[in-house]
Amino acid sequence: GQQVMQIPQYQHVQEGEDFTTYCNSSTTLSNIQWYKQRPGGHPVFLIQLVKSGEVKKQKRLTFQFGEAKKNSSLHITATQTTDVGTYFCAGHVNSGGSNYKLTFGKGTLLTVNP
Amino acid sequence: DSGVTQTPKHLITATGQRVTLRCSPRSGDLSVYWYQQSLDQGLQFLIQYYNGEERAKGNILERFSAQQFPDLHSELNLSSLELGDSALYFCASSSRPGQLAFFGQGTRLTVV
Repeated sequence: GQQVMQIPQYQHVQEGEDFTTYCNSSTTLSNIQWYKQRPGGHPVFLIQLVKSGEVKKQKRLTFQFGEAKKNSSLHITATQTTDVGTYFCAGHVNSGGSNYKLTFGKGTLLTVNP
Repeated sequence: DSGVTQTPKHLITATGQRVTLRCSPRSGDLSVYWYQQSLDQGLQFLIQYYNGEERAKGNILERFSAQQFPDLHSELNLSSLELGDSALYFCASSSRPGQLAFFGQGTRLTVV
């Protein structure tokens, strides 16, 4: 079945360093979404990418969708302690007609040392 | 606040029992997703409904079932519970399949 792989599983950085997490799908995605989950919290939607090669920015966060719509990345510039959490990518795969399955990667847990 | 409401927030029950988790989607959302999150498995997709009909099925056990009612709320029924079913169960909703999903705060199920 369709799988969404995400690396790395864990990343520990010093405050001020950059961070990147990568997402790769075994099949072409209709779109990709990124979520952040703080410890003890629920996934919170960050952004959705739809177009091939799309790049979106939210302040220090940059999201990219690959040309083949099979991979994506999230880059955080100059991390802060408030960036701590698990970042998930999630891909929508059309499973026939108007049926879609939203599959999550296993997430990257980011910890930031002040 | 995402607008998705899940009840109860916490549930402790014994092995062999049956529980029902409830989800009210955001106003106007027709699609509901259920996920199971355990420490070692990440977010596992269980099942999706759209306007009352099942639309996609993931790794949902036969002991588990779900439905979406005419008022669009959804229930996830877990029966013959085992220790390994202890997890966070999230519900998410979207306007329609393929659109961005908003998550509820989850139900933490502990099976003892």
